[in-house]
Amino acid sequence: GAGVSQSPSNKVTEKGKDVELRCDPISGHTALYWYRQRLGQGLEFLIYFQGNSAPDKSGLPSDRFSAERTGESVSTLTIQRTQQEDSAVYLCASSSVQGAYGYTFGSGTRLTVV
Amino acid sequence: GQSLEQPSEVTAVEGAIVQINCTYQTSGFYGLSWYQQHDGGAPTFLSYNALDGLEETGRFSSFLSRSDSYGYLLLQELQMKDSASYFCASLPGSNYQLIWGAGTKLIIKP
Repeated sequence: GAGVSQSPSNKVTEKGKDVELRCDPISGHTALYWYRQRLGQGLEFLIYFQGNSAPDKSGLPSDRFSAERTGESVSTLTIQRTQQEDSAVYLCASSSVQGAYGYTFGSGTRLTVV
Repeated sequence: GQSLEQPSEVTAVEGAIVQINCTYQTSGFYGLSWYQQHDGGAPTFLSYNALDGLEETGRFSSFLSRSDSYGYLLLQELQMKDSASYFCASLPGSNYQLIWGAGTKLIIKP
């Protein structure tokens, strides 16, 4: 597609429920990144996929968080047993290797855990 | 460690010029990027400096000095729509992952 697409744009869930967030990167972009951004804060790195290499999961805050990517296409970020501190905007970005300095971000998923 | 430092907030007047500084300390360095993020929006790419010097794109310019581990974003003829947060990010090169600063909130007064 023309841009990075994320769904849903907003998600309200009850504490303890599982949620799944989706990211559809720009076609041909081999790199895909997930970030978390709390209100008024900076970008918190979560996970990075590059082609068929093993993902860099070093930013995942707990084992409740996991992510998958099918080849060089769609990625899903799953949060199990959600907690109120998980409330944030989850941003996905993609880039080509050659343009790794210029990420294209999706509009994000605003997650609210009540 | 790897870190980038930038001021948390900068205030300027409409029509004026403002400079947002960024100092970095990373184990590897290929270049420095700048992103703009409006409230409620996604970050958007502004510029990238791989070499020392000034890069100009319209009202925005970005500067890099590798010897000083320092860069800045210069915004001229400020408009109210420039009110946003601005992030610097370095490309260490090892795995193409950007390392991000905490962001600078630019407040523009009429």
